[in-house]
Amino acid sequence: SQQGEEDPQALSIQEGENATMNCSYKTSINNLQWYRQNSGRGLVHLILIRSNEREKHSGRLRVTLDTSKKSSSLLITASRAADTASYFCATGNSGGYQKVTFGTGTKLQVIP
Amino acid sequence: DGGITQSPKYLFRKEGQNVTLSCEQNLNHDAMYWYRQDPGQGLRLIYYSQIVNDFQKGDIAEGYSVSREKKESFPLTVTSAQKNPTAFYLCASSISGQGYQKPQHFGDGTRLSIL
Repeated sequence: SQQGEEDPQALSIQEGENATMNCSYKTSINNLQWYRQNSGRGLVHLILIRSNEREKHSGRLRVTLDTSKKSSSLLITASRAADTASYFCATGNSGGYQKVTFGTGTKLQVIP
Repeated sequence: DGGITQSPKYLFRKEGQNVTLSCEQNLNHDAMYWYRQDPGQGLRLIYYSQIVNDFQKGDIAEGYSVSREKKESFPLTVTSAQKNPTAFYLCASSISGQGYQKPQHFGDGTRLSIL
């Protein structure tokens, strides 16, 4: 079964608004990553947050991690039409292996 | 520019036929991965390789095979044993090593359909 589950499955907002997506997972993790996928394309890595970090920023992106609740959120501020894409969280477990498990994604539509 | 190249972009398979999807990277990454993406189901790991001449099954390896003879190349064969191969296949790579998992770089995928 999938490790991460994103919420909501779909989100539609107006340009300039903020978009928040959530990811919940089931077991202890080593780190959590967020990726973006434009329609028909490969995934692009956005940000990685380690299990001992609580918040991380990258440009208009803000990621939080709450290991006690086994959840993470991705906030995109001042959204643009170009942010329209699907967003996936991916969790990595301890053990030294590079494999991660992807969630089912949130489909974001930003209306100009 | 470094990156991952997947070919072909579209592929059609006849019943009983094996097909091979190509994945080449020039990022000098040790680790490579194959994922399958079905609508609404996210990405599922088929096979991964952390080093040349070594690979491990992922969550849905049945009906697939891989090889890793060169660092740059990680081809995926979809065999006739895979009864529902229609999907979007994504190849990725990352640097390897102990500790936390590293960001993965993805190709633009191959869309496989049944004739």
